[in-house]
Amino acid sequence: DTGVSQDPRHKITKRGQNVTFRCDPISEHNRLYWYRQTLGQGPEFLTYFQNEAQLEKSRLLSDRFSAERPKGSFSTLEIQRTEQGDSAMYLCASSSTSALGSFYGYTFGSGTRLTVV
Amino acid sequence: DAKTTQPTSMDCAEGRAANLPCNHSTISGNEYVYWYRQIHSQGPQYIIHGLKNNETNEMASLIITEDRKSSTLILPHATLRDTAVYYCIAPDGGGADGLTFGKGTHLIIQP
Repeated sequence: DTGVSQDPRHKITKRGQNVTFRCDPISEHNRLYWYRQTLGQGPEFLTYFQNEAQLEKSRLLSDRFSAERPKGSFSTLEIQRTEQGDSAMYLCASSSTSALGSFYGYTFGSGTRLTVV
Repeated sequence: DAKTTQPTSMDCAEGRAANLPCNHSTISGNEYVYWYRQIHSQGPQYIIHGLKNNETNEMASLIITEDRKSSTLILPHATLRDTAVYYCIAPDGGGADGLTFGKGTHLIIQP
């Protein structure tokens, strides 16, 4: 297990379509995070899971967004009825709550770049 | 999270030390300072973190002022591969509930 994997790396979709992204975290990490990053900005927190429980959701996560982590392993992020403003890089990260000084335990994937046309 | 302030961009010559400053004047006593970097088209990468004492690892050194209101990340011998956006973060509660990234400092290493 070499890191956090995200699929696909790139996605182009037409406005109004639904899209789903997948994240496979580091296997021993029990926390999983989703972030969104637009051009020239730092990553913005969307939501996180501890095991299968979704514990926090940002106000950025509108009703069109839903995230799941059904068995506490991989996670999916779905965007329904995509809008041009959804165009961004979607990043996934994982960490272990058992790690000392928790946040050096944050490992990010390379992201999925979404373009809505 | 404590608000952090970083310069928008910096240049550094290859082989020289790159010193990246960060102000975090509202940091509380139990908030760590974390540094991440993001190379183009990749996710952020952890560099180093500290509370009060200076820290060093294989990537960088972190110097925290005695009053903890500012810190400096030092890349001792910068290479072209160090060109990236560097983020300084001081998360509430250790940051378990998510990190707040600002815009960071775009460090450009010049050949």
